[in-house]
Amino acid sequence: NAGVMQNPRHLVRRRGQEARLRCSPMKGHSHVYWYRQLPEEGLKFMVYLQKENIIDESGMPKERFSAEFPKEGPSILRIQQVVRGDSAAYFCASSPPSRASDTQYFGPGTRLTVL
Amino acid sequence: GDSVTQMEGPVTLSEEAFLTINCTYTATGYPSLFWYVQYPGEGLQLLLKATKADDKGSNKGFEATYRKETTSFHLEKGSVQVSDSAVYFCALSSGANSKLTFGKGITLSVRP
Repeated sequence: NAGVMQNPRHLVRRRGQEARLRCSPMKGHSHVYWYRQLPEEGLKFMVYLQKENIIDESGMPKERFSAEFPKEGPSILRIQQVVRGDSAAYFCASSPPSRASDTQYFGPGTRLTVL
Repeated sequence: GDSVTQMEGPVTLSEEAFLTINCTYTATGYPSLFWYVQYPGEGLQLLLKATKADDKGSNKGFEATYRKETTSFHLEKGSVQVSDSAVYFCALSSGANSKLTFGKGITLSVRP
């Protein structure tokens, strides 16, 4: 059973460009979480999605950031008009649909560098 | 809101030394508590968890006990190895959405 997959692993963008980060959850998992890890800091929650629904986006910056988890295909975290402060590691985690398990399984992350 | 506080790092130990990494939390309700480990250049791996008071999570020689009275979840290992060198994150999950709140993490270096 493949784990959580993220791509690309490394992404370099110039200021003003768009960044698209992809996350494929573990098989059978229908909940996806995105977290951001700034240098020398812990992870901060950004957004929680289920298939075709954004459940909690309280950690998302109000502008330039958006996320989706379509019925088919991976979850996408999109950052428009990137700035240097967006440079960070972005991690996706997934969990199964059962409320009995609140364990999240993390992908390897996408390391975004904005030049 | 919810928060997790970890002891300041980094921590450097000799192989076979005893390890304690402190973690305390503030949360409404009854959170689940976790320790995650991050090896260089990799994502987070779940190390252990506890879901209710007095539960003890354990894995790979690491242990942590959910102490509700002191709101703590300290990580311990009796004898560390060089391969344990990594960043360790304490985290909690609460509420219907189960989103994780992390501490800042602490870097452990174990020298031979």
